[in-house]
Formats: sequence, structure tokens, C-alpha cells
Amino acid sequence: GAVVSQHPSRVICKSGTSVKIECRSLDFQATTMFWYRQFPKQSLMLMATSNEGSKATYEQGVEKDKFLINHASLTLSTLTVTSAHPEDSSFYICSARVGTGGRTEAFFGQGTRLTVV
Amino acid sequence: QKEVEQNSGPLSVPEGAIASLNCTYSDRGSQSFFWYRQYSGKSPELIMFIYSNGDKEDGRFTAQLNKASQYVSLLIRDSQPSDSATYLCAVNFLSGYSTLTFGKGTMLLVSP
Repeated sequence: GAVVSQHPSRVICKSGTSVKIECRSLDFQATTMFWYRQFPKQSLMLMATSNEGSKATYEQGVEKDKFLINHASLTLSTLTVTSAHPEDSSFYICSARVGTGGRTEAFFGQGTRLTVV
Repeated sequence: QKEVEQNSGPLSVPEGAIASLNCTYSDRGSQSFFWYRQYSGKSPELIMFIYSNGDKEDGRFTAQLNKASQYVSLLIRDSQPSDSATYLCAVNFLSGYSTLTFGKGTMLLVSP
């Protein structure tokens, strides 16, 4: 399958600082990438859909000024958690789909475990 | 509201048995269906996808789709302890461009 690389895998930051997470599609071009958040023992929650060269589409309840998404190229999307607080501690996962339309599977990055202290 | 429902489990089966994981979805117009496996602390990995009614087999895994009943299942034959994980059902709803909607997942425990 297609490879999606996410970095860093773990990060610990102080409250009030910002953290940037990178998501790269290594062997395909990802027109659309997705950012999820997952709290312990809960399912994936879609935060936003990131389209190359345009503004991200955020799900209801997700603060766009807090979770900045940039999709500058067909292989790179970044999520910046600004002014992080302990409640932002979570597992953040990016995903990209190969091609467009309904019949395309999504591949996931390795995830980033964010801990805000 | 597009919904994907799964029994949270845990589903416990002995090693060598068949594990049956079920998923229902709300939108009759849904196009494609995916099963992902997620180990604790890891991101999901794709196991199978199915688009048409009927069965699709891949090794020990069989996906079954019944669009009339809005039901998709995953069978795991000869279950192994290494199959113990949470299995996520994902659906591409017709009206949602490229977006997958995930169920909450079913935890499977395979005992030796």
C-alpha cells in the first residue's frame, strides 16, 4: 500500500507553546489529506480535511485558529497546535487517500502522541 | 447525520476460532466500505475494502457486504492472538467527497 509518513511520533511540550506535526505522502500525490484526533479508548475524530493549495475544511467544534493546517504541496500537510494546553494532549493521526472519488482507500501516518505539560 | 455503528466489544474468541465483526451504516447510498485494524497506541492499518454486494476473501479475512440491509462484516478465520486489536469499520458516504466516516471500533481479544 501507499506510504504516509508522520513526524514526530511523540512530542512533549509546555503549556502555551506551539507544536507542528508533519504528514508526508512518500510514494504518491495526495490532493486531500485528513487530520484526526483520538483520545484514549475512543474512536477517530475527524478534525479537518486539508486540500492542496486551499484552505482546510474544519469539522464542527474544531477551532481553526488553534489547529492551523497548511497543505503547501501534494505531498506535505502540516498541523500546528497553537498555544497548546493539557486538554490538547491526544493522539493525532493524518491520513491520505490515493486518487479521488469513493473507491479509494485511505492510508494513515504513524500518528503523533502529543503530551502538553 | 451519517453514522457507522459497531459493537464496542470486547469480542472474545479462542485461538483458531472464527471471529465475526459487524458494522451497520445509515446512508443507503454509501459507495465503499473499509476495515481497518488498530493496535493499541498505533495508527489504523487497512485490512480490506469492499464495494460490491457479496463476499470478498483475502487470506484469513473475508469481508461481507449487504447493501439492502446496510450491513458489512469482517470474518477472521483461524484467529490468532496477534489478531487482538480494535477493528474499525469505515464508510464512504456518497455525498461526502473523499471523507471516510469511522465507527467506534470493536475490540477483539483472541485467547491462546
